[in-house]
Amino acid sequence: DAGVIQSPRHEVTEMGQEVTLRCKPISGHNSLFWYRQTMMRGLELLIYFNNNVPIDDSGMPEDRFSAKMPNASFSTLKIQPSEPRDSAVYFCASSRQGWNTEAFFGQGTRLTVV
Amino acid sequence: DAKTTQPTSMDCAEGRAANLPCNHSTISGNEYVYWYRQIHSQGPQYIIHGLKNNETNEMASLIITEDRKSSTLILPHATLRDTAVYYCIVRVNGGSQGNLIFGKGTKLSVKP
Repeated sequence: DAGVIQSPRHEVTEMGQEVTLRCKPISGHNSLFWYRQTMMRGLELLIYFNNNVPIDDSGMPEDRFSAKMPNASFSTLKIQPSEPRDSAVYFCASSRQGWNTEAFFGQGTRLTVV
Repeated sequence: DAKTTQPTSMDCAEGRAANLPCNHSTISGNEYVYWYRQIHSQGPQYIIHGLKNNETNEMASLIITEDRKSSTLILPHATLRDTAVYYCIVRVNGGSQGNLIFGKGTKLSVKP
């Protein structure tokens, strides 16, 4: 398996533009996590899906952020409109549901909003 | 999820054992202890996890105290490539309580 695949790896966009980050989880995994990492705040959990259903989105910063998981093999994190303070590395991770599960992380998307 | 407390940083000599402590005094009976690490510019990597018994795999050993209020991750022969931030996490597996919440972690520096 190729692991968790995120795209793009790097994104530079202007303030006010819409940004869409993509994630393909490992086949057979039915839990998916989106994280944001900055130097100041560390790794923050944004949203957690289980069987394509959002379980906990309390970490989503504000209404500008939205995440979807239309099927078991694809998820998106959208920021509209983007702001410079959204600049961070965004990670996606997936795991099998149930007991004794480990999460596998993608390589991340480095977002820069100028 | 219960909170964890880890030292901010630690140093270890190459080839020696690295012992990374973690306090989780409010851990619940159904919460597991997980360890992840993050090497610079990469996504976090799973290392090991356990409930109450000590665990060992090809990467590390996990020692959990009998009262489960603390644990130690042991890298038996640290190498320069083990330099990373190590995160200790407690979580309930699966379902609506399966969130994986990261703290600040311990920055381990392995020195020649």
